Amino acid sequence: EVQLVESGGGLVQPGGSLRLSCAASGFTFSTYWMHWVRQAPGKGLVWVSRINNDGSNTIYADSVKGRFTISRDNAKNTLYLQMNSLRAEDTAVYYCVRWLTAGLDYWGQGTLVTVSS
Amino acid sequence: EIVLTQSPATLSLSPGERATLSCRASQSVSSYLAWYQQKPGQAPRLLIYDASNRATGIPARFSGSGSGTDFTLTISSLEPEDFAVYYCQQRSNYYSFGQGTKLEIK
Repeated sequence: EVQLVESGGGLVQPGGSLRLSCAASGFTFSTYWMHWVRQAPGKGLVWVSRINNDGSNTIYADSVKGRFTISRDNAKNTLYLQMNSLRAEDTAVYYCVRWLTAGLDYWGQGTLVTVSS
Repeated sequence: EIVLTQSPATLSLSPGERATLSCRASQSVSSYLAWYQQKPGQAPRLLIYDASNRATGIPARFSGSGSGTDFTLTISSLEPEDFAVYYCQQRSNYYSFGQGTKLEIK
């Protein structure tokens, strides 16, 4: 069974940093591209970042470029999102998602990040 | 940046009725469009990829059509469990989602 379990969310002050982790199991993690997608409370889905299967290629939404870094450790079956210079508008549930050729087919349960003083 | 605009924002229908949801792209995305369903408190679920292909396990009452800039998700006969929020998403140029259509019970 495919499982994606996010962790690392919490309350952080504006300007602070947080690192999210996503533990993957039930599939060959190293062969899949992975994404982070976020959803502010009561709002819609927003794509954040994508990494290819070996970690050599990453892309970001303009809203997080230069502040967030996506990475992965295929030996540990883990995806990461390092978030720096956090702003109030980064407050959201962050989902770790597997990419299957043409769609986001498996989603984690999400981890809540709250940026507030 | 490709902007996806979904309409209507809210659709009120009864079980058994046909639902038609629209997604329009600000520029052509070819057929690189997917649809997702999200129920309250749950993560989204992939329904349709590449405009018209149903994902694994998705019932046949869900169908997608369109190409270029105009796309449609059709639910042929609504079941009680279909009332949810639906999002379109493109992968032609980076990735982006529409703002969602809430399908509610009339």
